Amino acid sequence: DAKTTQPTSMDCAEGRAANLPCNHSTISGNEYVYWYRQIHSQGPQYIIHGLKNNETNEMASLIITEDRKSSTLILPHATLRDTAVYYCIVRVEVIQGGSEKLVFGKGTKLTVNP
Amino acid sequence: DAGVIQSPRHEVTEMGQEVTLRCKPISGHDYLFWYRQTMMRGLELLIYFNNNVPIDDSGMPEDRFSAKMPNASFSTLKIQPSEPRDSAVYFCASSLALAVYNEQFFGPGTRLTVL
Repeated sequence: DAKTTQPTSMDCAEGRAANLPCNHSTISGNEYVYWYRQIHSQGPQYIIHGLKNNETNEMASLIITEDRKSSTLILPHATLRDTAVYYCIVRVEVIQGGSEKLVFGKGTKLTVNP
Repeated sequence: DAGVIQSPRHEVTEMGQEVTLRCKPISGHDYLFWYRQTMMRGLELLIYFNNNVPIDDSGMPEDRFSAKMPNASFSTLKIQPSEPRDSAVYFCASSLALAVYNEQFFGPGTRLTVL
């Protein structure tokens, strides 16, 4: 079962930052937070992941609270193409020889408006 | 690389017919995953393979579903006989075994409609 709670939907104005929250109050010390998104009619796409430090890449920033019970995905300048369902997932990271399952919840439907 | 390739992109069949979905993972990836997505149940993992060997098939709904991976570059998901409730989008994904972040790359999906 998914171990995360996300709002069902959110709206954001084009050009503004989109802040997508995720609660994962039962997260364990060895579980990472992953974000994927799914644009309509496409397969999910990896965005970012983190353990306890804030992370940034070319797509987004991930802010994880100090107690790790929640996180926020930030799209700094949302565009219409960022309209998608965003999934927050927690899972154990297996460094060698393994691949833990991704369990997708319902996600947040983000709509970027012009 | 062309990414994960799935075929067909759309399949319409009648109840009782056999359906075979195909997937070509990204070259060099050791893991292959089959997912199913419906409005009611969302995105569900059906089965995954490591080096062509099925590791976890606990998500396969019933005996009508079977999956094979005869070699590192090809996998099939078969439904026999198909039923209307099997209508869904089926995604294949692949990943590197040793990637620190273990990103899964998804294919475009096969939209299956069983009449």
